[in-house]
Amino acid sequence: GENVEQHPSTLSVQEGDSAVIKCTYSDSASNYFPWYKQELGKGPQLIIDIRSNVGEKKDQRIAVTLNKTAKHFSLHITETQPEDSAVYFCAAPASSGNTPLVFGKGTRLSVIA
Amino acid sequence: DAGVIQSPRHEVTEMGQEVTLRCKPISGHDYLFWYRQTMMRGLELLIYFNNNVPIDDSGMPEDRFSAKMPNASFSTLKIQPSEPRDSAVYFCASSNNPQGTQYFGPGTRLLVL
Repeated sequence: GENVEQHPSTLSVQEGDSAVIKCTYSDSASNYFPWYKQELGKGPQLIIDIRSNVGEKKDQRIAVTLNKTAKHFSLHITETQPEDSAVYFCAAPASSGNTPLVFGKGTRLSVIA
Repeated sequence: DAGVIQSPRHEVTEMGQEVTLRCKPISGHDYLFWYRQTMMRGLELLIYFNNNVPIDDSGMPEDRFSAKMPNASFSTLKIQPSEPRDSAVYFCASSNNPQGTQYFGPGTRLLVL
């Protein structure tokens, strides 16, 4: 089955700096890669996703890049703000059509003002 | 739509008691997922349903855990008897595609004393 590894587990950055979180996956047939943000006391919420037919996708200060050859994808947050502090999860599907997403272990991002 | 609704939001109980967690998925979503989140193990998929039918319960930790979905708008996760190691945040999520975006509820924070 799919195995998703996420690094780092914790990340601290100064406000205004960039943050990068990386994930690797094992199933080369995976074709959908979402990122979720979990704020304190809430459930994870989708913030951005990418499909395997593109290499990069941007939405304001966040972007996701995908390297299918190396089987890794990354979340990039630029000009970080205190409200970006949260736990971020990557996920990937297994190749068989009806199996759910497999989530990484999460990265706790702290933006220091 | 109100999103995924979970109740209760917080539950404190004593070891040996029965605990029932409830979830109302987003209307029209055919898939419902139950997750458990702890610091040590991250986000674990316990069980998921498709059209009210349990598809994969391999993540259910042991026979003390059971889940039902009597209709498209309601699901329960029951722990009987509860143990202190069951203390965690339990999330319900729904989707119209097992490999697409999942919408998480706010979670139930369970503490077993």
